[in-house]
Amino acid sequence: EAGVAQSPRYKIIEKRQSVAFWCNPISGHATLYWYQQILGQGPKLLIQFQNNGVVDDSQLPKDRFSAERLKGVDSTLKIQPAKLEDSAVYLCASSFPRYEQYFGPGTRLTVT
Amino acid sequence: SQQGEEDPQALSIQEGENATMNCSYKTSINNLQWYRQNSGRGLVHLILIRSNEREKHSGRLRVTLDTSKKSSSLLITASRAADTASYFCATDGRHNNNDMRFGAGTRLTVKP
Repeated sequence: EAGVAQSPRYKIIEKRQSVAFWCNPISGHATLYWYQQILGQGPKLLIQFQNNGVVDDSQLPKDRFSAERLKGVDSTLKIQPAKLEDSAVYLCASSFPRYEQYFGPGTRLTVT
Repeated sequence: SQQGEEDPQALSIQEGENATMNCSYKTSINNLQWYRQNSGRGLVHLILIRSNEREKHSGRLRVTLDTSKKSSSLLITASRAADTASYFCATDGRHNNNDMRFGAGTRLTVKP
């Protein structure tokens, strides 16, 4: 069974630039999550989708972050414009509702 | 906000010893999950325990849940150097639709 795919694996940008991350969840998983993990901390939930609808985006900085999940499968997370404090690993995970999550390898973002 | 809080923040033991990590949370839950994260990698699901369960085993892992104290513990028996990783608990809030909250994690080092 293929796992959660994410791209790119690494990204370096300058502050005020924009960046986009892509996630392909495990086939059949209705729930998709985006997390931000700052070095030394636990993952922080940014947004949760159930199919193509948003369930929770209470911790998403909506002035600069946006996410979509068209057709309830793949998802993209965008940051525009990026700030230095956005440097982190961005993790995508998917699951059946209320079951364990399967995580992708993450995208390590460095904002200079 | 993060729901689970792991204790201790860091733990260093010798190979063969047992490692115990604790997790406390604040609100009612549907289930509690433990995850492992090796340095630079995504999270891997270890075990899920539901709110009506008190103890669960998986190989060398033993998880307990005390809903009256809002706490859980993860015991790794006969630890190995390969168990070196960060361990996170995550809670699925009963009053929220499957939103997951992770703690800051316990960094376990197993010395060979």
